Amino acid sequence: DQQVKQNSPSLSVQEGRISILNCDYTNSMFDYFLWYKKYPAEGPTFLISISSIKDKNEDGRFTVFLNKSAKHLSLHIVPSQPGDSAVYFCAASVQGGTSYGKLTFGQGTILTVHP
Amino acid sequence: NAGVTQTPKFRILKIGQSMTLQCTQDMNHNYMYWYRQDPGMGLKLIYYSVGAGITDKGEVPNGYNVSRSTTEDFPLRLELAAPSQTSVYFCASSYGAGGLTGELFFGEGSRLTVL
Repeated sequence: DQQVKQNSPSLSVQEGRISILNCDYTNSMFDYFLWYKKYPAEGPTFLISISSIKDKNEDGRFTVFLNKSAKHLSLHIVPSQPGDSAVYFCAASVQGGTSYGKLTFGQGTILTVHP
Repeated sequence: NAGVTQTPKFRILKIGQSMTLQCTQDMNHNYMYWYRQDPGMGLKLIYYSVGAGITDKGEVPNGYNVSRSTTEDFPLRLELAAPSQTSVYFCASSYGAGGLTGELFFGEGSRLTVL
């Protein structure tokens, strides 16, 4: 039962254009969402997050949008740079209670930005 | 600042052997986690700890054991290794239940192959 899904295994974009990575979730209890970036032979690193009380969060070139009714979130990277080429993981959690920050991850999307 | 350090980075085991993956963090984080990542899949939580002496199971705990005798160290023990445990293992830590932003700090990973 995949509660967090990234249906696009890969995405290829031209440098300077927008990259849009998508993520869907099924568990309506999730109230906190994160994006992680992973380079080969390294651990994932935190990129940006959003609480369910918001529908948008922006940090520099990265913006995350949340559509709770559709149980969908997306990560926009503008403008895309070759250094953004990596695997991007969407993750979700239930804050508070006994969740202890446990994250449920999607399968990841490989982003390739061509010069 | 070393962050989260995992050893070994690579290991090949024979079926039935046992081993311990070491994880240490120098950020004085209370929460620590072990995840595994199989090819084409997201990270799945094996075990987590909210402080020294306190551990609990995650989504896929079978075949593993953990201990947390100090704040810094969170070793993962594999007993009677099986081919299904071939994976990349990531240790992570956070200040609290994912911290203010939900951020987990990951180690570089340990690639384990069971033959």
